[in-house]
Amino acid sequence: GAGVSQSPRYKVAKRGQDVALRCDPISGHVSLFWYQQALGQGPEFLTYFQNEAQLDKSGLPSDRFFAERPEGSVSTLKIQRTQQEDSAVYLCASSQARSNQPQHFGDGTRLSIL
Amino acid sequence: QQQVKQSPQSLIVQKGGISIINCAYENTAFDYFPWYQQFPGKGPALLIAIRPDVSEKKEGRFTISFNKSAKQFSLHIMDSQPGDSATYFCAAHSSYKLIFGSGTRLLVRP
Repeated sequence: GAGVSQSPRYKVAKRGQDVALRCDPISGHVSLFWYQQALGQGPEFLTYFQNEAQLDKSGLPSDRFFAERPEGSVSTLKIQRTQQEDSAVYLCASSQARSNQPQHFGDGTRLSIL
Repeated sequence: QQQVKQSPQSLIVQKGGISIINCAYENTAFDYFPWYQQFPGKGPALLIAIRPDVSEKKEGRFTISFNKSAKQFSLHIMDSQPGDSATYFCAAHSSYKLIFGSGTRLLVRP
């Protein structure tokens, strides 16, 4: 597709449930990023992939958060045993291989934990 | 040191006026400074970006002014239009990571 695609757009889960969020990057983009955006705040970095390799996961809030990109294209962000503080918009971005290339964002998944 | 401070938090401008949003940073390792525009329910969209070896960049009605010695940069929106009403984020890039400001909600009155 032309842009970064994320699904689902909205996800409601009960506290304690596991959730999986999907990101389809722009075709040919080597780099993929996940960000978390709390209401009224700027996005905050979670993790970074170059192809299938996860090069930085320093922004993941806890070991309940796990991301993967097994074939270097689609990525999944998984949150286990969800908590209310996990409620946020989760944004995926992708960019071309070279450093300093613009990051293009998807429209995000709005996660609400009840 | 990784913070990017953005002001004002909100801004109201009359149609045709100039909107100015300011950002400041500390980390001199930042090498690229993009501005993103975000509408409700949408992801951030890249608006314009500048590298630290340039003091000004203009694209249409949007201009970035960059002051490397002061570690400050700003977005100017000329001839602001109601369609420009959105949240604007400055960001700073280091290696691969973007550090975002807290955002400015811009309202342009008709």
